[in-house]
Amino acid sequence: AQTVTQSQPEMSVQEAETVTLSCTYDTSENNYYLFWYKQPPSRQMILVIRQEAYKQQNATENRFSVNFQKAAKSFSLKISDSQLGDTAMYFCAFLYAGGTSYGKLTFGQGTILTVHP
Amino acid sequence: DTGVSQDPRHKITKRGQNVTFRCDPISEHNRLYWYRQTLGQGPEFLTYFQNEAQLEKSRLLSDRFSAERPKGSFSTLEIQRTEQGDSAMYLCASSVRLAGSYNEQFFGPGTRLTVL
Repeated sequence: AQTVTQSQPEMSVQEAETVTLSCTYDTSENNYYLFWYKQPPSRQMILVIRQEAYKQQNATENRFSVNFQKAAKSFSLKISDSQLGDTAMYFCAFLYAGGTSYGKLTFGQGTILTVHP
Repeated sequence: DTGVSQDPRHKITKRGQNVTFRCDPISEHNRLYWYRQTLGQGPEFLTYFQNEAQLEKSRLLSDRFSAERPKGSFSTLEIQRTEQGDSAMYLCASSVRLAGSYNEQFFGPGTRLTVL
């Protein structure tokens, strides 16, 4: 079974600054995806960024980038130029891409990020 | 709005009552997922469907829980004899299954259940 751990229950950052959210995971599989999801207060969850395990290059989506360390099973999210709209709960998630479990997401506990003006 | 919709958004019930939630996926999405999220925690997988077939169920889905997806369109999640521990947000997500590729799951707004 896979596990995902987010060790930072809460983080805060000043607007326009950079913040990094941490995530570690445990799996014996080699074929998988990792994701960061954002869940704003009272709003639905949306995908921020994804990383394929077979890719060495770190994924980037505008102000969001990841640091994927496969050997260390670490997957952190960096948010540059933080904006007030980035305030949300952020979840790290794992998806095994083989066999019949081609859809079940395993989530971490979440990190509440607050961006201060 | 063509996103995933869930109904009701909030449900308050008394312990022992039965409740049913509905999820309407994005049109043409053949996979549908149910997750449960307790306060301050990440969502936990409950079950998923490909078309009308229920392909996997979590051990979290006790005998009091049943999910259906008739005709491969909307899905219902029923909880019988509710318990206070069932209080949570129930999330639905959908995706389109394409062979050999990853398919993004799009989440609905959730149904918040409170069992008194």
